[in-house]
Amino acid sequence: GESVGLHLPTLSVQEGDNSIINCAYSNSASDYFIWYKQESGKGPQFIIDIRSNMDKRQGQRVTVLLNKTVKHLSLQIAATQPGDSAVYFCAEKLRGANNLFFGTGTRLTVIP
Amino acid sequence: DTAVSQTPKYLVTQMGNDKSIKCEQNLGHDTMYWYKQDSKKFLKIMFSYNNKELIINETVPNRFSPKSPDKAHLNLHINSLELGDSAVYFCASSEGGTTNEKLFFGSGTQLSVL
Repeated sequence: GESVGLHLPTLSVQEGDNSIINCAYSNSASDYFIWYKQESGKGPQFIIDIRSNMDKRQGQRVTVLLNKTVKHLSLQIAATQPGDSAVYFCAEKLRGANNLFFGTGTRLTVIP
Repeated sequence: DTAVSQTPKYLVTQMGNDKSIKCEQNLGHDTMYWYKQDSKKFLKIMFSYNNKELIINETVPNRFSPKSPDKAHLNLHINSLELGDSAVYFCASSEGGTTNEKLFFGSGTQLSVL
């Protein structure tokens, strides 16, 4: 399943399917991007990050894709599990800045 | 061992009261932050301190005053609490600078102003 983080804040997928969470960022001067996962009652946890000189980065079951031409970032989760149910945030950092600006977030629900 | 710990976890108080939230990190990081998360889950930075010095102060009412006694602690004091202050407040830390941007978050303090 797919979602656009800023326009479709909820994504439901079947257990075992792949998930794609999308994020449109706003500033072409951003040089660093990061995905966080926030479970209910907890703080955001780091998933994966990518710098602007890369197009793709892979982690364990997760892949981040960066398309600077259209200012688009996506998080792909392979073989989605019930434990993946959470709110996912993308965040960007402007070149030379010290802090992250967070997107709206997408709630991922995994259906057993 | 909790890397970024904040207390209390829950805070329920009356309008007009003054309250504080404490935050400590044991990661040896130079930079600490306070973020506010509203009911729609939007995360917005409030303050950032680097080695006890304020480096970011977003448009936040003067009723909010951060205090950093040392680089491992960043507390948030709120005066004259208002209904609109109800939110979840997250403390975070990072190594600092412009190339070590990964934030480590605490578990949050849910503030409810009645």
